[in-house]
Amino acid sequence: SYELTQPPSVSVSPGQTASITCSGDNLGEKYACWYQQKPGQSPVLVIYQDNKRPSGIPERFSGSNSGNTATLTISGTQAMDEADYYCQAWDSSSAWVFGGGTKLTVL
Amino acid sequence: QVHLQQWGAGLLKPSETLSLTCAVFGGSFSGYYWSWIRQPPGKGLEWIGEIHHSGTTNYNPSLKSRVTISLDTSKNHFSLRLSSVTAADTAVYYCARGEVESHFDFWGQGTLVTVSS
Repeated sequence: SYELTQPPSVSVSPGQTASITCSGDNLGEKYACWYQQKPGQSPVLVIYQDNKRPSGIPERFSGSNSGNTATLTISGTQAMDEADYYCQAWDSSSAWVFGGGTKLTVL
Repeated sequence: QVHLQQWGAGLLKPSETLSLTCAVFGGSFSGYYWSWIRQPPGKGLEWIGEIHHSGTTNYNPSLKSRVTISLDTSKNHFSLRLSSVTAADTAVYYCARGEVESHFDFWGQGTLVTVSS
C-alpha cells in the first residue's frame, strides 16, 4: 500500500517561513494536497493539485511537489496558523492516502 | 456554497453496527466521490471508503469486510454502516466530497462515535 511520511512536528517563529514536507514514492507523479486542522474542527483544504489555493486561503500558503517530496510553505507565519497539517494524495492501488500529520507550533 | 451536515448515534456497544448519514446541501451529487473518513482521538486521518454518484463503491481494504456505503440521490444523502464495532473504532467520523483522484474540498462537521461496554 502507498504511504506518505510527514515530520511529527515543526516549529517556527512568528513572521518567519515554515516548511512542512511530505514524502512518498514518486509523489511528484501524483497530485498532492494539504489540509489544516485546528483542535475540535474539521480539516480545511489549504492547497490542492500541488500548488493551487482554494478561495479564501491566504496567499502566504503555497505548495510544491517534485520527485518524492511535496512541501507546504507558509510565509510570514502567524499565530493563527498554529495547527495540525496533513498531506494527502490519491494512488491508483490505495485510493485516498493521508500522511500522519505535522503539528506546527508558532512560538 | 456546498455544505455537508452529518448525524448518527454517538455511543455504541462492542459488536453493534455504526450508522451515520451525511446530507449534501447547495450542490449536485453528480461528478464527485463521496467519502467517509475517520480520526481516532489524538491520531491522524484514515479514509474509510467512498461512493460515486453512479453507485460505485470503493473501500479501504483494512475495513472492507465491515463497511457499507450507500446513497439516496432523491434526498442528497449518503450513509455509512460499519458492523461489529470494537473500541478500536472509536473516532471522529467525517463525511467529505472528493474531487476525482485529487482532494477533498468540503467536509462535514464530524461525529464522535465512542464504542464502550
